[in-house]
Amino acid sequence: EPEVTQTPSHQVTQMGQEVILRCVPISNHLYFYWYRQILGQKVEFLVSFYNNEISEKSEIFDDQFSVERPDGSNFTLKIRSTKLEDSAMYFCASRKDRAEAFFGQGTRLTVV
Amino acid sequence: QQQVKQSPQSLIVQKGGISIINCAYENTAFDYFPWYQQFPGKGPALLIAIRPDVSEKKEGRFTISFNKSAKQFSLHIMDSQPGDSATYFCAAAPYNQGGKLIFGQGTELSVKP
Repeated sequence: EPEVTQTPSHQVTQMGQEVILRCVPISNHLYFYWYRQILGQKVEFLVSFYNNEISEKSEIFDDQFSVERPDGSNFTLKIRSTKLEDSAMYFCASRKDRAEAFFGQGTRLTVV
Repeated sequence: QQQVKQSPQSLIVQKGGISIINCAYENTAFDYFPWYQQFPGKGPALLIAIRPDVSEKKEGRFTISFNKSAKQFSLHIMDSQPGDSATYFCAAAPYNQGGKLIFGQGTELSVKP
């Protein structure tokens, strides 16, 4: 069964460092998303991406964040200068047109 | 107006019992209402979803009941099993606007043997 794949599963980084979280969405999907989940809290929308551009972003997705689809398969989230409060699980999701969203297993980001 | 409110926060049910989780929304632009199941350390997995043109959808032991006028929807898990113990999130999306999901706060379900 096709699945969304995320790497790494866990990333520890020092405050102020740049991190890149990687995702391989399901191959025939058209819409791509990043969500985050702070420990014990709800899943929050960060950004949606369609047709090689951001279609919507939340207040959380400030200038420190960027997304890219560098080739036909990868979808990345970059955090330029990490803060302690960026520590969370980050989930990538993808979907076909008007169909359900499939989530990856997540990357646990720990900023120390 | 973008919020989805979910209750209860936690739920303990005996094996074989019925688990009921409720959600309410305000934004009438929402037209897709999925439920996700999440196990510790894993990503949310789609369980069942409904659109507002029907009032109920059943898949196996899982049923969504939808009340459009009250802007409420609920998940019923019949014959609850210990393997159902997980966190359940309701969500809503305005599908014509890119499909971003707005999640509820989550319900931690524990099914006791």
